[in-house]
Amino acid sequence: DADVTQTPRNRITKTGKRIMLECSQTKGHDRMYWYRQDPGLGLRLIYYSFDVKDINKGEISDGYSVSRQAQAKFSLSLESAIPNQTALYFCATSERGRIMNTEAFFGQGTRLTVV
Amino acid sequence: DQQVKQNSPSLSVQEGRISILNCDYTNSMFDYFLWYKKYPAEGPTFLISISSIKDKNEDGRFTVFLNKSAKHLSLHIVPSQPGDSAVYFCAASAAGGGNKLTFGTGTQLKVEL
Repeated sequence: DADVTQTPRNRITKTGKRIMLECSQTKGHDRMYWYRQDPGLGLRLIYYSFDVKDINKGEISDGYSVSRQAQAKFSLSLESAIPNQTALYFCATSERGRIMNTEAFFGQGTRLTVV
Repeated sequence: DQQVKQNSPSLSVQEGRISILNCDYTNSMFDYFLWYKKYPAEGPTFLISISSIKDKNEDGRFTVFLNKSAKHLSLHIVPSQPGDSAVYFCAASAAGGGNKLTFGTGTQLKVEL
């Protein structure tokens, strides 16, 4: 089983609909992140959390919200989906490094299409 | 502004030869650099990293070089294998930044037989 699991893997939704993407992890990491990937733009940070109920905006948070009710789970919501939110979404986790930063571990991604 | 840049969208190399992927950054606060490999329909997987206190880190066929004065890093893969064909992302983070990663736009590596 994957250490970082995203559901659903694929989703097509209509403009204006609310949609939630789920992420769960078994790595025991405190830190969780949501990134989105667009062609030619790499991955960009949407939101991140360092602990339960800790929420921080990333580079492109407009139009998104998140919830961290448990250490292992971090969900991303699109309150009213729009076509330019069509992208590949990745959840990631990392542990707090004692001296320096550490690598992040990614889920397999959710391909979201807004029509 | 693109703080991490990968100026080559694609690279084609013959099997057995060296692949060199390049990355430039602009933010002087970055002190930890990573390379991720991504296959289609999968998430990025961590490959190798280097901290700013080093100029080289090696792991098997993969070596990352860091030139802080030029704000440049490179990933060397030798020998290249067909299974190395993937998109490679360079990423960077800053101390105190909570492991938040800033990614480059990726380089598609194709290793040909």
